[in-house]
Amino acid sequence: DIQMTQSPPSLSASLGDKVTITCQASQNINKYIAWYQQKPGKAPRQLIRYTSTLVSGTPSRVSGSGSGRDYSFSISNVESEDIASYYCLQYNNLPYTFGGGTKLELK
Amino acid sequence: QVQLKESGPGLVQPSETLSLTCTVSGFSLTSYSVSWVRQPSGKGPEWMGRMWYDGDTAYNSALKSRLSISRDTSKNQVFLKMNSLQTDDTATYYCTREDNYGGYSAGFAYWGQGTLVTVSS
Repeated sequence: DIQMTQSPPSLSASLGDKVTITCQASQNINKYIAWYQQKPGKAPRQLIRYTSTLVSGTPSRVSGSGSGRDYSFSISNVESEDIASYYCLQYNNLPYTFGGGTKLELK
Repeated sequence: QVQLKESGPGLVQPSETLSLTCTVSGFSLTSYSVSWVRQPSGKGPEWMGRMWYDGDTAYNSALKSRLSISRDTSKNQVFLKMNSLQTDDTATYYCTREDNYGGYSAGFAYWGQGTLVTVSS
């Protein structure tokens, strides 16, 4: 199984900051990574697919990049609506595997 | 529009069997695969298994010995059964559907609301 190591586990930011989350896969996942936002009591919401493609409705201040084993997800100009947990998902191979999550909080 | 909805008991006794139903609308189970994903409180999600569009199944090896996924296409339903439940199976259980672009998966784009299952006596 491919392991997804996500960091940091938590992040504290001020409104307007830029934040970056990383996921490292245990092997090459060929850019098949998606990023999800999850708010308490809600299902995960897909923000990015295939490393950097924004899903409809995702604000343009969100971005993703990476290749091979190393990937990153960024939010520039953090807004209050961004306060949530974030997860990466590799879907290159079954079993699909998620990162452990990053909880974004306001400083 | 695409919708998925989980249903089932909120409380299961240890060593008992969990049975969940995912009822879908807005797409055909013979055209798209549906997966089950669970998430313990405060932890990352875990892919459990999948009902392929052609009726085949795939399971997470960590759960394979306890897990069974089936479907009823006439009712637009996918079923999960997992036996020998323990307290660490307490989680929110989701059914999900992938999007496809040019024949390639785009990851889990659609999710049900989730159903919390607590394993406790």
